[in-house]
Amino acid sequence: SQTIHQWPATLVQPVGSPLSLECTVEGTSNPNLYWYRQAAGRGLQLLFYSVGIGQISSEVPQNLSASRPQDRQFILSSKKLLLSDSGFYLCAWTARGGYGYTFGSGTRLTVV
Amino acid sequence: AQTVTQSQPEMSVQEAETVTLSCTYDTSESDYYLFWYKQPPSRQMILVIRQEAYKQQNATENRFSVNFQKAAKSFSLKISDSQLGDAAMYFCAYRSGGSGSRLTFGEGTQLTVNP
Repeated sequence: SQTIHQWPATLVQPVGSPLSLECTVEGTSNPNLYWYRQAAGRGLQLLFYSVGIGQISSEVPQNLSASRPQDRQFILSSKKLLLSDSGFYLCAWTARGGYGYTFGSGTRLTVV
Repeated sequence: AQTVTQSQPEMSVQEAETVTLSCTYDTSESDYYLFWYKQPPSRQMILVIRQEAYKQQNATENRFSVNFQKAAKSFSLKISDSQLGDAAMYFCAYRSGGSGSRLTFGEGTQLTVNP
């Protein structure tokens, strides 16, 4: 069966420090991968999505970047965090041609 | 661009009663999918129910059912026999029919279930 792993679960980082959040999917090939951010009590905002290795589409211009170095690995990064980067980050995947999204358990990021 | 609107920031229901959460969406496409997701305090996103736009029959999953009105672009969620475990944030979401399309979410409805 397919599973999605996301880590770390919680992260507290100082302003100006780098960020790396990782997401991996098991049990499938060629997934579509997504990074969402959720502010407290609000809906989810799509940040990046990828349909293949090295293929990244950005939805919102910001301080963050994404990479897909392997088929089932999706990384969210920042060189210098801002206070406004705080939030809950969710990774998700869908099968190629499928329409059901499966979400990871999320990372709660607090920038101090 | 597609938009999803949930006009009820908060709703409450008595245990064992029925509650309906509202959702409207705006699109010019004919091929799309609609979803309801549940987010409990753990913040894990859990798929509750989904509806293909080409299907006229409303989807049902046990105590959860939808009222899909395509012409009105309305997609409400009905929860019957509400349970304490149903308390959560509920999000309505839209996805275009094309491969690789992303989900667009509404702002959510916080559901409280009173014992």
